[in-house]
Amino acid sequence: NAGVTQTPKFRVLKTGQSMTLLCAQDMNHEYMYWYRQDPGMGLRLIHYSVGEGTTAKGEVPDGYNVSRLKKQNFLLGLESAAPSQTSVYFCASSPRDSGRARETQYFGPGTRLLVL
Amino acid sequence: AQSVTQLDSHVSVSEGTPVLLRCNYSSSYSPSLFWYVQHPNKGLQLLLKYTSAATLVKGINGFEAEFKKSETSFHLTKPSAHMSDAAEYFCVVSARGGGSQGNLIFGKGTKLSVKP
Repeated sequence: NAGVTQTPKFRVLKTGQSMTLLCAQDMNHEYMYWYRQDPGMGLRLIHYSVGEGTTAKGEVPDGYNVSRLKKQNFLLGLESAAPSQTSVYFCASSPRDSGRARETQYFGPGTRLLVL
Repeated sequence: AQSVTQLDSHVSVSEGTPVLLRCNYSSSYSPSLFWYVQHPNKGLQLLLKYTSAATLVKGINGFEAEFKKSETSFHLTKPSAHMSDAAEYFCVVSARGGGSQGNLIFGKGTKLSVKP
């Protein structure tokens, strides 16, 4: 099993450009998440999904959109990139809630995004 | 609302000496607490988790943490530091209640340096 994978690993954008980050998991997990990591800030939740076709806002959703058309994939879109979106983006997934099983999240390797 | 506070942004120890990374939490519910580790330019790896079973939790690589309700603390310790322990460590609490049930809330991180 590959676990959680993210594409691309690194990307440079110019202000105003758009892009989509892809997260894929092969663990048949129901829940998926997108975080951003900035120095001294820890990880902050952008959006999450509790199942195919459903998404919800996290702590810092502005400037991002997401889609979960397939259970194994979770896409994060930036419609008009801004320098403030320069960050490292992590995707994670977790299994269907069974007791507290949902709370154990499995993380991808991250995508480094630089917006000039 | 739940939150975690990591009391030190940087900790430096010598190889072979004990490690103590401090974390206080705030939660009106019985919390689930986690420690994650992130090595340079890598993703996040779960070290250990507390989910209301034994208050002393043993994790991977010789780390352990003790849940102390009276002190609202969940400090991470290791008896003897190794060079490979140099990384950033995140204390995490699971959200309770409402639509964010099960989402993770990260502390800002503690960078551990290990001197030879």
